Amino acid sequence: DAMVIQNPRYQVTQFGKPVTLSCSQTLNHNVMYWYQQKSSQAPKLLFHYYDKDFNNEADTPDNFQSRRPNTSFCFLDIRSPGLGDAAMYLCATSRDLGAGTEAFFGQGTRLTVV
Amino acid sequence: DAKTTQPPSMDCAEGRAANLPCNHSTISGNEYVYWYRQIHSQGPQYIIHGLKNNETNEMASLIITEDRKSSTLILPHATLRDTAVYYCIVRPGGSNYKLTFGKGTLLTVNP
Repeated sequence: DAMVIQNPRYQVTQFGKPVTLSCSQTLNHNVMYWYQQKSSQAPKLLFHYYDKDFNNEADTPDNFQSRRPNTSFCFLDIRSPGLGDAAMYLCATSRDLGAGTEAFFGQGTRLTVV
Repeated sequence: DAKTTQPPSMDCAEGRAANLPCNHSTISGNEYVYWYRQIHSQGPQYIIHGLKNNETNEMASLIITEDRKSSTLILPHATLRDTAVYYCIVRPGGSNYKLTFGKGTLLTVNP
């Protein structure tokens, strides 16, 4: 059974039109992450939540925001998508922040901007 | 964080062992070695991790050299479904959350 679920798997949005990607988890993990993966590149961390505490990576553009209304759900909001934001967006969870814990990834949402 | 160096690509025959090397010569004492893989168009999948000792699970074995400057991920009997990009990641100890992906190794398992 899928433990980290991302919807939708494929999303097409118009240039400049706000879009929201969703992630849910059944693991009851404290930490949820959002990664961006552009074509032929490695995943790049955008931000993470530890419980309700939000932590933004220094180089994450302001265009990207996130919400975590409860333990199970986390959303990625792109306020004004540009062509350069076309990518796979990956959600991940981990039980804790310590180095001995592994992260579980969802299948990703592939975003196309037209 | 310590950097890792992996070959960009490797081939392996189906049924044979796949040995994927990773160099992490600047690793420090409290840093763990993690391996993830990413099958095309899917999310990364955790494989194994270790600190000093060799580790084995149902998916793979992780061999870490005594000086901890390099490691090898071993898939004992590679199948076509093991074709993926394999990422070796060094992760600091403590509460540092970062899982920083490098370029990884594209392993192609051939029939």
